[in-house]
Amino acid sequence: QSALAQPASVSGSPGQSITISCTGTSNDVGAYNLVSWYQQHPGKAPKLLIYEVNKRPSGVSDRFSGSKSGNTASLTISGLQADDEADYYCCSHAHITVVFGGGTKVTVL
Amino acid sequence: QVQLVESGGGVVQPGRSLRLSCAASGFPFSSYGIHWVRQAPGKGLEWVGSISYDGSNKYYADFVKGRFTISRDNSKNTLYLQLNSLRADDTALYYCAKSFYSSFDIWGQGTMVTVSS
Repeated sequence: QSALAQPASVSGSPGQSITISCTGTSNDVGAYNLVSWYQQHPGKAPKLLIYEVNKRPSGVSDRFSGSKSGNTASLTISGLQADDEADYYCCSHAHITVVFGGGTKVTVL
Repeated sequence: QVQLVESGGGVVQPGRSLRLSCAASGFPFSSYGIHWVRQAPGKGLEWVGSISYDGSNKYYADFVKGRFTISRDNSKNTLYLQLNSLRADDTALYYCAKSFYSSFDIWGQGTMVTVSS
């Protein structure tokens, strides 16, 4: 169960769009459309942003969108805002287990 | 109000045991699978394991290796995580999280476990 690969950090200016990649294998990301994304502010619990690759739960801004191609999933944040500065984690089911990415720190310049 | 509240964390010596609890409210607890996820200080999220809505199926991460056991009491709306043979690298904030279409939509605030002599 190796962690999914995410860039350690991504940055952007307010109003810009950024994309965070999440690379797994044919046993996890590539095998199932069960990728989810979480936002975590310091000292807080994670918050669900995207489930099943590209679906947004009720109440999550449409500035957050997800996609997948092969073994790599992506989270795009458009119209970057100061409050988007946080850690972001991808997650995938892998048969009967679950694996998270190592996390990406997003900095708003 | 839909919420999960963890408790039971603390400081424990290596090799000892601890039982964590996760109390649910505001949703039909007995209808949902629940997961445990941990986060070591300054590190990322790590899935620990899960239990199905009725407790009949349990799954664990490889690193658990028979040391941890997940259980639930639907009559009390409570989930448990029994931690045995604790090691220093088990030091982490332990979260419980509710299943939602193969993701986790409700998280508790976490309970801290520190393994130290």
